[in-house]
Amino acid sequence: DTEVTQTPKHLVMGMTNKKSLKCEQHMGHRAMYWYKQKAKKPPELMFVYSYEKLSINESVPSRFSPECPNSSLLNLHLHALQPEDSALYLCASSQGNLNTEAFFGQGTRLTVV
Amino acid sequence: AQSVTQPDIHITVSEGASLELRCNYSYGATPYLFWYVQSPGQGLQLLLKYFSGDTLVQGIKGFEAEFKRSQSSFNLRKPSVHWSDAAEYFCAATNSGGYQKVTFGTGTKLQVIP
Repeated sequence: DTEVTQTPKHLVMGMTNKKSLKCEQHMGHRAMYWYKQKAKKPPELMFVYSYEKLSINESVPSRFSPECPNSSLLNLHLHALQPEDSALYLCASSQGNLNTEAFFGQGTRLTVV
Repeated sequence: AQSVTQPDIHITVSEGASLELRCNYSYGATPYLFWYVQSPGQGLQLLLKYFSGDTLVQGIKGFEAEFKRSQSSFNLRKPSVHWSDAAEYFCAATNSGGYQKVTFGTGTKLQVIP
């Protein structure tokens, strides 16, 4: 199993809503990542979890709150988002070191209205 | 500053023609290098990677890339393009030591015409 599964695939939310994005992998990887990707742009790193601890936060606004309940799951809690936060949110995982290949999920297409 | 440059924003090739996508990097030491492919609205799939050793790297879907230290380049090639290769291609790099984040290039969109 070399899959990273993200749910939901599409999400529309209002600026006052609270929602969560979910990511799951069963490859035994110990590093997991959240990326944000705007149209026609490369992915931008948001957060990195290593061994279930937050190791990198790329100065992401607090309306994005990551959570890693266990080594297989990664959540991204969303609250009071802005329309400019609309993007494709990608989850990825790797064995435990950013210098190894990362496996990406299919992404969640988020629209904030 | 560390950077990855993909000088071609958009490339159009005929089906069956050969393909070369360019990638240049700027790092203090030899980085780990990657090529990813992304179909519209999808995640990224790793095509190939270079960590060390043989400078010609074979990947999936018939792709290969050549690491040239003297030119700080890691160009992606395919001898015969298929219509299904139409996608966005990202070159990426990271330092070879320590726990460093990957830097992506800005991407090259490949269009394949019949």
